[in-house]
Amino acid sequence: QVQLVESGGGVVQPGGSLRLSCAASGFTFSSYGMHWVRQAPGKGLEWVAFIRYDGSNKYYADSVKGRFTISRDNSKNTLYLQMNSLRAEDTAVYYCAKDLYEQQLADYWGQGTLVTVSS
Amino acid sequence: SYVLTQPPSVSVAPGQTARITCGGNNIGSKSVHWYQQKPGQAPVLVVYDDSDRPSGIPERFSGSNSGNTATLTISRVEAGDEADYYCQVWDSSSDRPWVFGGGTKLTVL
Repeated sequence: QVQLVESGGGVVQPGGSLRLSCAASGFTFSSYGMHWVRQAPGKGLEWVAFIRYDGSNKYYADSVKGRFTISRDNSKNTLYLQMNSLRAEDTAVYYCAKDLYEQQLADYWGQGTLVTVSS
Repeated sequence: SYVLTQPPSVSVAPGQTARITCGGNNIGSKSVHWYQQKPGQAPVLVVYDDSDRPSGIPERFSGSNSGNTATLTISRVEAGDEADYYCQVWDSSSDRPWVFGGGTKLTVL
C-alpha cells in the first residue's frame, strides 16, 4: 500500500532553516509528481509546492517563492522541502502528497510533520 | 485569485443525508475534489473530478457540480463521518494553482 512518511520538523527561530523529507513506498515514486501542503494550527489547507515526476518543473505558492525549494531523489524514493528564511507564519503541519494526475489533486497524503517558527 | 466558499459547519442526525456546498464563480466549469480530514489525521480524498470515488470510499459519498455550486453528499450519515471536509480545484491560471475552500465541520448529532 502507498505510504508517505514525513520527517524533519521541529522548532526553529525566525530567519532559520529546516529541511523536510518525505519517504515514499508502495508505488513507483519516479512516475508521479509530488506536492507539499501545509496547515497552520486550527486553520485550513494551503498548497505550498509541486514537483514533476522527473524534477524537471517545480511550482511554488507566492507565499514561499524564493524561500522554499522542493526537490526529489528518485533513487531514494524521497521528496524534500528546503525551507529558508522561516517566518512565524510558516508555522504549520507540513504534508507531502502524491499527485493523482497532471498536478491537479492528490490521492495519498502523509501524516505530516510539525514546523514551529518561534523565538 | 479564485475563491471557494464553504459553510463553516453542517449538522446532521445519524442515518440522514448531509450536503456540504462549495461555491465559486462558474465552478461548474472546473473539476472539484473533496477531502475528509478527521482530527489529528491527514486528509483523505473522498471524491474527485466532481463525482468519482477513489477505491475504498463508500458509495454513501457522492458529488455533483453545476453553475456556481459544487456539492458533496453523504447519505446515511454515520458517527465516523464526523470530520472537516475541504473542496479543492485546480486553477491553472493562478499563482496558487491549488485552491481550497475554507473547510466545513460536519457534526453528527
